[in-house]
Amino acid sequence: GEDVEQSLFLSVREGDSSVINCTYTDSSSTYLYWYKQEPGAGLQLLTYIFSNMDMKQDQRLTVLLNKKDKHLSLRIADTQTGDSAIYFCAETPRSSASKIIFGSGTRLSIRP
Amino acid sequence: DAGITQSPRHKVTETGTPVTLRCHQTENHRYMYWYRQDPGHGLRLIHYSYGVKDTDKGEVSDGYSVSRSKTEDFLLTLESATSSQTSVYFCAISETSGSSANTGELFFGEGSRLTVL
Repeated sequence: GEDVEQSLFLSVREGDSSVINCTYTDSSSTYLYWYKQEPGAGLQLLTYIFSNMDMKQDQRLTVLLNKKDKHLSLRIADTQTGDSAIYFCAETPRSSASKIIFGSGTRLSIRP
Repeated sequence: DAGITQSPRHKVTETGTPVTLRCHQTENHRYMYWYRQDPGHGLRLIHYSYGVKDTDKGEVSDGYSVSRSKTEDFLLTLESATSSQTSVYFCAISETSGSSANTGELFFGEGSRLTVL
């Protein structure tokens, strides 16, 4: 089946690194994504990783993919107040490339 | 920003009444989606469309129907609204599906908040 799970909340101190974790069940996912939702807005694609990759780095963002454990993580270095948002893990199941399945979202809050 | 407009943005209705939400795009993208967002559940796919008159069910399609008679419009209808359908509804569009050649990135509208009393 297709299922994506995340913890609901994460609180970090400004300037520290944030690590948001996700587990998924479809071992044949083509892509795995991280979307960001700011208050009162729709989601926007933050970054993604193709299933044949282990790591992707993009400025302050690092995505790690452990296919054996079906675990995806997003690390945000030097977390800033502007990073406060809900972060959604998502996947494209190989069984249906037209669908994108989202997790429950992790709300990241930043402490001064 | 992708040209996606959802209407209405806010609606309050009573149980048992029909409700139609409209998603309009100016991007000529092939794929269109309706999701609902609820606390603790994230985004759940209701229905999606992969072309004019081509639609399919998502995870939570019961109680909802959709229609796509033109590329630019995707309508979501609640035939008889129930309180469990109180939610924020998001339309999304994508130029491609996810494949080895394309990421299938979704572009989202701003959401429609529906309250069913």
